[in-house]
Amino acid sequence: GAGVSQSPRYKVAKRGQDVALRCDPISGHVSLFWYQQALGQGPEFLTYFQNEAQLDKSGLPSDRFFAERPEGSVSTLKIQRTQQEDSAVYLCASSLVGPNTEAFFGQGTRLTVV
Amino acid sequence: GQQVMQIPQYQHVQEGEDFTTYCNSSTTLSNIQWYKQRPGGHPVFLIQLVKSGEVKKQKRLTFQFGEAKKNSSLHITATQTTDVGTYFCAGMDTGNQFYFGTGTSLTVIP
Repeated sequence: GAGVSQSPRYKVAKRGQDVALRCDPISGHVSLFWYQQALGQGPEFLTYFQNEAQLDKSGLPSDRFFAERPEGSVSTLKIQRTQQEDSAVYLCASSLVGPNTEAFFGQGTRLTVV
Repeated sequence: GQQVMQIPQYQHVQEGEDFTTYCNSSTTLSNIQWYKQRPGGHPVFLIQLVKSGEVKKQKRLTFQFGEAKKNSSLHITATQTTDVGTYFCAGMDTGNQFYFGTGTSLTVIP
């Protein structure tokens, strides 16, 4: 595709609800990253995939967060039993090769937990 | 752990004035990237610096990577209203993670 696509753009979840956020990276991009961006803050690293392999998940804040990229393309970030502190914009980025190359960000999913 | 700080947090300038944001890391970086994020938008890649002491220019923007590879700066000459946004540096350590700085929000007053 022309760019990184994320859906939904906005999600309102009741506390305790599970959510799934989707990322369609640029076709052919090997690397995929998930970031969490709170209001007025910089993006914080969550996890990194190289093709289908999740090479780094050290940024996931708790075991309620789970990410997958089963076929090395589309990725899903799942948050179980959402809590208010999970409210943020979740950004997905992809890069052609490894992390040392230009990353292209999607528009993000704004998650609000009420 | 890794920390990347940026100063200032906010900067208001008159159109035509220069602007500089500084990025400082607590550890040595293998490389550093700069991004611009417009209000309500997503980060957009500007440039990557790899070598110690490297300086790169993009029109009115000048990027510098410190000799010790622990700091970097972005300088904009003669700001325009289109420069409005938040500028983030993102440094990579020896791992695969980019640590984003705290950002500098630039407001340009016409």
